[in-house]
Amino acid sequence: SQQGEEDPQALSIQEGENATMNCSYKTSINNLQWYRQNSGRGLVHLILIRSNEREKHSGRLRVTLDTSKKSSSLLITASRAADTASYFCATDVNNNDMRFGAGTRLTVKP
Amino acid sequence: GAVVSQHPSRVICKSGTSVKIECRSLDFQATTMFWYRQFPKQSLMLMATSNEGSKATYEQGVEKDKFLINHASLTLSTLTVTSAHPEDSSFYICSARETSGNEKLFFGSGTQLSVL
Repeated sequence: SQQGEEDPQALSIQEGENATMNCSYKTSINNLQWYRQNSGRGLVHLILIRSNEREKHSGRLRVTLDTSKKSSSLLITASRAADTASYFCATDVNNNDMRFGAGTRLTVKP
Repeated sequence: GAVVSQHPSRVICKSGTSVKIECRSLDFQATTMFWYRQFPKQSLMLMATSNEGSKATYEQGVEKDKFLINHASLTLSTLTVTSAHPEDSSFYICSARETSGNEKLFFGSGTQLSVL
């Protein structure tokens, strides 16, 4: 079963703008991960944030985690057309149980 | 990074036939692999956890006899959709963790199954 909910379901922005996606989950977690999926392809790992971390950066990606609210956000700065994809959060409950959110479909217009 | 190879990428079959999908870890050993099903514009639904050398663990509502999983080696897991029907048409994806305990999942490129 799915663990989390993501919003928005779909997001359309212009190249150069920032994109923010949110993820909420229900149970306690070991870590939360964000993945990207191009249409009709497998998922690619973007970034992992542990339950004792609040913020993490990787290139143009910034992830926050609020365990008290059971929520996370993914910010993509200075977006590019190539960032167009679906983005999923996944919660790792006990290292053998990864649950994916519903995903946000991001479209970056050139 | 680690590579997971999934074949075939696309398969079209007649109703009633069986289809086998392979998932291989190319440069690492994976004691555990995961099989997901994904409908258009929806999330991944975990079907089963494949354990090397033992029986797979199926999620609630997934028919074991319908979706046969075999994980005979540390680098190969297969999913066989038996007696496929049009409602089995979907995108199937596998993933694996490195045996070293890396928390990241590495995904295959997926298989689009269309049952006529």
